[in-house]
Amino acid sequence: DAKTTQPNSMESNEEEPVHLPCNHSTISGTDYIHWYRQLPSQGPEYVIHGLTSNVNNRMASLAIAEDRKSSTLILHRATLRDAAVYYCILRDATGANSKLTFGKGITLSVRP
Amino acid sequence: GAGVSQTPSNKVTEKGKYVELRCDPISGHTALYWYRQSLGQGPEFLIYFQGTGAADDSGLPNDRFFAVRPEGSVSTLKIQRTERGDSAVYLCASSLTFSGGSTDTQYFGPGTRLTVL
Repeated sequence: DAKTTQPNSMESNEEEPVHLPCNHSTISGTDYIHWYRQLPSQGPEYVIHGLTSNVNNRMASLAIAEDRKSSTLILHRATLRDAAVYYCILRDATGANSKLTFGKGITLSVRP
Repeated sequence: GAGVSQTPSNKVTEKGKYVELRCDPISGHTALYWYRQSLGQGPEFLIYFQGTGAADDSGLPNDRFFAVRPEGSVSTLKIQRTERGDSAVYLCASSLTFSGGSTDTQYFGPGTRLTVL
């Protein structure tokens, strides 16, 4: 599986935007970029995914570099509830590998 | 609607004992996954079911671990002769279908925290 690299942690202030980076220099042409997050004492939850174009949904935006070797998850206004571990994951669009391969993720702390 | 549920939420057992962990997926979801999460680490894949059959069990660490899904809905993860190193949170997830790997969002349960003394 192609690997992703994320910083260990990041701090943000409440109601400010947050940009969470992810490097995936060995991404293949058929890999989708997925983001999941895990709130304390809960299972992971889906946030967003994309292939080449930037994506927006009610939770966040995903900005994908033109060469696809990096991406950024954007939370437009952080809330205390957004404090979580955020995982950047590559998934093969051909379906050859259905499992999610998690790294350690990035721990986001939000200051009131 | 109801999400993925897992029982028990906590399980404490002694080394050498047998344990069963149960997962109730979202109704109608054909794919079911088991993961294990140790403290400070991301979840680690164990096994994946498509319907009743195990489509990928490459993550099971050894033959003490076994999982079943006899009717294509509820799944049970079984651990024989538990060891202290088996202590972790065991997570279950389900997805609507296996649609080609790109968009089949996995919905996770809250996990079962297993402690082996």
